[in-house]
Amino acid sequence: DGGITQSPKYLFRKEGQNVTLSCEQNLNHDAMYWYRQDPGQGLRLIYYSQIVNDFQKGDIAEGYSVSREKKESFPLTVTSAQKNPTAFYLCASSTDRGMNTEAFFGQGTRLTVV
Amino acid sequence: GNSVTQMEGPVTLSEEAFLTINCTYTATGYPSLFWYVQYPGEGLQLLLKATKADDKGSNKGFEATYRKETTSFHLEKGSVQVSDSAVYFCALSVYSSASKIIFGSGTRLSIRP
Repeated sequence: DGGITQSPKYLFRKEGQNVTLSCEQNLNHDAMYWYRQDPGQGLRLIYYSQIVNDFQKGDIAEGYSVSREKKESFPLTVTSAQKNPTAFYLCASSTDRGMNTEAFFGQGTRLTVV
Repeated sequence: GNSVTQMEGPVTLSEEAFLTINCTYTATGYPSLFWYVQYPGEGLQLLLKATKADDKGSNKGFEATYRKETTSFHLEKGSVQVSDSAVYFCALSVYSSASKIIFGSGTRLSIRP
């Protein structure tokens, strides 16, 4: 079955550590996105990528980094520079073609700083 | 710029009540409009969509009509169930060289038995 997979589902990080969240899709989608969701809040865009080896900052990119070396993969690194990283992180992908660009989401990774 | 504004929650209704969640948008161009649903601890799922003016999206008893004259895409359901309790997000996308999907802030819906 085609879909988008995030791992791990739960992640714990000590202060000062970098951690990487995985996102893989087998939908052959060109565009991929990372969103952050805080309790009771909407989605805020961290980074997005429309093509391999290219990505753009979203609204809250500070303290995060990404790479897009393969079409299927868009890992997100939460660096020690991110002051408040505890949140629910959602990865999404879309075809980014024409007017029908709905997004498909993974199940999310809940990151907690301990 | 592009933006989505949706009614603030939480919204609490009794089972079998009529539901409306308001959504309005601002867009430069001709957006596609979407409603997504998020159940607790999960990612978002597409509920319905409309790609041009006057289109009606529908799924699982939910409906929304793309109203260009009022820049709105309100979500409705005639008779809600406890299982409809979730967070609902209105969203838009506009095809461009920097296209991305813009989400509203979400509306939490709780249905009482």
